[in-house]
Amino acid sequence: DAMVIQNPRYQVTQFGKPVTLSCSQTLNHNVMYWYQQKSSQAPKLLFHYYDKDFNNEADTPDNFQSRRPNTSFCFLDIRSPGLGDAAMYLCATSRTRQGALNTEAFFGQGTRLTVV
Amino acid sequence: AQSVAQPEDQVNVAEGNPLTVKCTYSVSGNPYLFWYVQYPNRGLQFLLKYITGDNLVKGSYGFEAEFNKSQTSFHLKKPSALVSDSALYFCAVRDEGDSWGKLQFGAGTQVVVTP
Repeated sequence: DAMVIQNPRYQVTQFGKPVTLSCSQTLNHNVMYWYQQKSSQAPKLLFHYYDKDFNNEADTPDNFQSRRPNTSFCFLDIRSPGLGDAAMYLCATSRTRQGALNTEAFFGQGTRLTVV
Repeated sequence: AQSVAQPEDQVNVAEGNPLTVKCTYSVSGNPYLFWYVQYPNRGLQFLLKYITGDNLVKGSYGFEAEFNKSQTSFHLKKPSALVSDSALYFCAVRDEGDSWGKLQFGAGTQVVVTP
């Protein structure tokens, strides 16, 4: 059974046209992460939530924003996608911020974003 | 801040031969170490983790990893590789001093198993 679900699997958007990627989880985990992964490189953390507490990585462009309306859902908004934003976007969850650092993160299947 | 190094971009091995994927790490506190595998156009799948205890950790699909504190290494191993093991492998670390529990990934190692 899928536990972290990302929609859509493949997204094509036009240069400069806002796009939203979605992630949902059935694990009831506190922490949700968004990673960007380009062509078989290491996933790069964009931001993460602990419940509603938001933490933006220092080098995440302002063009990227996120929303978490409830425990189960998290969205990645790209306000004005550029060609350089084409990548695989991975959503992940883990149980708690502290006290459970030994738990693994669970990843969704990813959304492959193409910018034309 | 924590960091992870995977010194090999690609590892080639014949089916049936032992497979080793190397990983070294740097953390300020005690490390929590993980291995993930990624197949084309897929998310990352968890293989195994080291938290504490035995230095040899067994995981999914016949994989195991050996934690070596003095060498700050956590190499992934499989005694007999399969063609289906061909994939991208990532080592990751969490630092116990990082309250956010952020996973830091290595650059990845492409494993190619030939028949």
